[in-house]
Amino acid sequence: QVELVQSGAEVQKPGASVTLSCKAAGYTFSRFHIHWVRQAPGQGLEWMGWINPNTGGTHYAQKFQGWVTMTRDTSMTTAYLDLRSLKSDDTAVFFCARSQGGLFDSWGQGTLVTVSS
Amino acid sequence: DIQMTQSPSSLSASVGDRVTITCRASQSIANWLAWFQQKPGKAPKLLVSKASTLESGVPSRFSGTASGTDFTLTISGLQPDDFATYYCQQYSNYPYSFGQGTKLDIK
Repeated sequence: QVELVQSGAEVQKPGASVTLSCKAAGYTFSRFHIHWVRQAPGQGLEWMGWINPNTGGTHYAQKFQGWVTMTRDTSMTTAYLDLRSLKSDDTAVFFCARSQGGLFDSWGQGTLVTVSS
Repeated sequence: DIQMTQSPSSLSASVGDRVTITCRASQSIANWLAWFQQKPGKAPKLLVSKASTLESGVPSRFSGTASGTDFTLTISGLQPDDFATYYCQQYSNYPYSFGQGTKLDIK
């Protein structure tokens, strides 16, 4: 069955960078885009962008351009999300999700990133 | 950008009740709308795609409808497992966008 397994929780200091991972299993990794979604504590869901695992092409929401980078390693069937220059209000859970025609049909369990001095 | 306005933001109901959650898009999204259920500490779960297509394994008490830019999710005969937060999401245009969420709790 389709499974997305994300890396564990992170605690980072302001100004730091962090890389989150999302390992895919149970399907052909290159065939489906991987999207990332942010959820701040007690808040709603916010779409960040996607990566095409086949080509490495990306599309970011304007709000996140210049702050995040999405990459992938096809040999590891893993997608990555790099976050730079973290601030305290970047504390959030980050989800990866597989999409079929834009529809998010499978999600990772989420990674909590806490930014605190 | 397309704004998704979801209402109500919270809702109290009892087991067995019928509840309706509404989502309005700020412009046409055809029927490119999904509904998700999220429980605390968990990832969202896809319930409905293309406004009214129930995903495999989702109980038939859930249903989705569309009328222009207005969309509804109805749960007929609430079960204890249904108390959660629900989100609509448009996947017609980038940037994809979600409604603010509706928290459904037990009265």
